[in-house]
Order: sequence, then structure tokens, then C-alpha cells
Amino acid sequence: QSALTQPPSASGSPGQSVTISCAGTSSDVGAYNYVSWYQQHPGKAPKLMIYEVIKRPSGVPDRFSGSKSGNTASLTVSGLQAEDEADYYCSSYAGSNNPWVFGGGTKLTVL
Amino acid sequence: EVQLVESGGGLVQPGGSLRLSCAASGFTFSSYSMNWVRQAPGKGLEWVSYIGWITTTIYYADSVKGRFTISRDNAKNSLYLQMNDLRVEDRAVYYCARDVNYAFDFWGQGTMVTVSS
Repeated sequence: QSALTQPPSASGSPGQSVTISCAGTSSDVGAYNYVSWYQQHPGKAPKLMIYEVIKRPSGVPDRFSGSKSGNTASLTVSGLQAEDEADYYCSSYAGSNNPWVFGGGTKLTVL
Repeated sequence: EVQLVESGGGLVQPGGSLRLSCAASGFTFSSYSMNWVRQAPGKGLEWVSYIGWITTTIYYADSVKGRFTISRDNAKNSLYLQMNDLRVEDRAVYYCARDVNYAFDFWGQGTMVTVSS
């Protein structure tokens, strides 16, 4: 069982928006603004999409955005494109005893 | 261009040992903290271990504490993971990942570890 809770699947049609949630606790997501999101295509390494809740690394399209409210973080993908179909994982810093926790992953399908 | 290349994976019997390596290039390795993250077949990501850019700060996941040892050689731009007393549940692809602002900004392609009799 993963420390952070994500829906196992999400879907949307091309051009639509989809939001993936990541539920944590007051010890991880709620305690730190260090939530990150990763995209992983089959057989590939994960790719950082969002860090520090809302920041995008260079090269990540602005169609990807992050947010947080209380103990739950969210990733929104706007203007869905076929290449966005992938698994998405959230992660949060959780303090020095158990520094990083991941969600179980969400499979995003572009219909 | 940042590159991380893992090696050292393979098949080992339960109770056995393996040493993974991660060769870094394209950035000043000694200035960055590094991590190992693993992914069991068909499963999600699991953080395994962290080492600071100065090696005095080291963390382990509870699942590997006491069995795995992370280390680095900044002169060789290399990260290591010594894995002892391997268990069937350690079977996974092991990724090294660079740490920036409490996120993993670059990942290697991974190396597969299989623990089976």
C-alpha cells in the first residue's frame, strides 16, 4: 500500500482537461510544499513534470499544472494530447525519518 | 547533457548480494544529492535511499534499512548501492535519480535486479 493515494485511472478526450489527485497526510503533502509529479511511458524512466507543488521544469509544456489544498495535491493536464497517455506518479517529501513517499500511480488514457 | 547510467543488475539467489553503480556525466556530480528509486514489475515507484552531496547525510527506506548501503565517489562521478541479504521482494528495476529541490529531476534508464532461486 502506497503512502500517497492516487486514483488508479483517469481519462479524457483530446483537447479536454483532466485532473489527477494525490491524497496524503499532515505529515507529508500537508506539511511541505515539496510535492512533485512524474510522467512515465511504458518501458521508460520517469520524467519530472512538476516540482515544489506548482513549478514546471524547463521544457515541460504549460499544459501541465500543479496545485495543493490541505493534504491533497493535484496535477491538471489541459488540452490533452495523445502523447500525454502515460502513468503519472506523485511524490512528497515527508521529513527526515522517511524522506520521500510516492503515490501508487494513475494511468492516464487519452480516448 | 545530463546522463545517468546504471549497471550491476542481474539474477541473484535469495540471501545473495549485488552492487549497483550509477555513472553520472554532464553536470557537477559532487554538487548534487542523489537517490536510488526502484520499481517492481508492474508496480509503482518506491524511494530506496538518499545520499547528500556531502556524504554525512544518508537515509534509507525502512524496507531496506540494515541490508542496503548507499555510497558515492565524487572523484569518479559515481553512485553506488550495495545490496546484501536480498529478498524476493527486492526484485525491481533500480533507478538512480538526481535530487534538486526535494524532487528527482533526472533519472537513469534503470537496471533490473531479479532475486530468485
